[in-house]
Order: sequence, then C-alpha cells, then structure tokens
Amino acid sequence: ILNVEQSPQSLHVQEGDSTNFTCSFPSSNFYALHWYRWETAKSPEALFVMTLNGDEKKKGRISATLNTKEGYSYLYIKGSQPEDSATYLCASRASNYKLTFGKGTLLTVNP
Amino acid sequence: ETGVTQSPTHLIKTRGQQVTLRCSSQSGHNTVSWYQQALGQGPQFIFQYYREEENGRGNFPPRFSGLQFPNYSSELNVNALELDDSALYLCASSLNQGTYEQYFGPGTRLTVT
Repeated sequence: ILNVEQSPQSLHVQEGDSTNFTCSFPSSNFYALHWYRWETAKSPEALFVMTLNGDEKKKGRISATLNTKEGYSYLYIKGSQPEDSATYLCASRASNYKLTFGKGTLLTVNP
Repeated sequence: ETGVTQSPTHLIKTRGQQVTLRCSSQSGHNTVSWYQQALGQGPQFIFQYYREEENGRGNFPPRFSGLQFPNYSSELNVNALELDDSALYLCASSLNQGTYEQYFGPGTRLTVT
C-alpha cells in the first residue's frame, strides 16, 4: 500500500443498522492514524487519533480499531442514525506534520 | 465547531490571476496546515507553518505560498491561477508542531474559470 485507501466509497444503510468502513495505509514509517467525520458545509470533526498497534477507541456509538503491522483501521457505527450521515475520512501521519488522507466513505442513513 | 475560521467562503477567479485565502486559528494554536481538496479526492497537504516559518511542504509548485502572522493567523497565496486549482482549500490549526490533533476550518471554495 503506497497511499491511504478507504472502502467502500459510499454506503447506504437503514436507521438502526450497524456498519463499518475500512482504511488501509502504508505500514512503514507509521506515526498516527486519524479519523474525521465531515458533514456537508461544515468543518471536518476529529473523531479519533490512534497510534498503537491494537489500539481501540470508542466515542458513543462509534468505535475504531488499528492494526499498524498490516496497515489497516476499521471504523464501526452501531445502530446508525440519520444524523450519522456524513463523509468519514481517515488520514495517516508518517511524519511530524503531514497528514495523508483517503478519499473518504460517504455514509447515508435512511430513516 | 472547531474555532477555526476561513475567508472568504467562496471565490471565483480567472485563469492567470492571483488569490489570497485567509485562516484564523483556534486560540492558542501556533501551527497551521493548508490542504487542497479537488473534486472526488481526499485533502492533499500543501504546507505547514509553525511560529511564522514554513515547516514542511507537499508536492505543490512554488506559486503556492503562505504566510503566518504573529497572532498565528495565516494566508495561502496562489499566483498564476490554473483551471486545476479549482478546489476546496482547508486550513487546520494545532496547538503546536508535535500535537496530533488538527482542527479544521470549513474551507474556501475556489473556482477558476
């Protein structure tokens, strides 16, 4: 993996469904992995920053895991709500300053 | 909200012109990064400023330049605009150079015709 890749590109789920997305990133020179939630016309909102292999973080119904050896992170949303509709971006940090972003996963939660 | 503001919200320029975009950092943050998000792409790192000095740069030509002021607000300047410069430009501030968290503004939408 040379770049940060996210899948799927877009996702439609029904209210109440649980869902998950994948972020793949270069495992060499790894420094940190960021997840952002971005609603249209708003600022990207930081969800998680993870640095350690095996790290798991949780914020309400949203959680994330990190595998730095194989270069992937999963973001899980339990019991999706319409207000969860947004683009979810992941970004890998391989140095002290530069974030390399994926293209994002667009989640639409239908009521 | 993140406390990071950007101006203007939208801007239309003609090819060959110059543009200045502005960013006001979150209070107390001395580091600002700029990103370009073209249609269908993720944000691409342009450069970072730390205490008024450029601290790192992505793969952007020299016609992309920046400034950071003593109050840590920042400008992104683009000379000789090209059609491909049409994008959303995001700035993000962080407490200092080594801090993980970056707080983003809502962006400036630049259209070059």
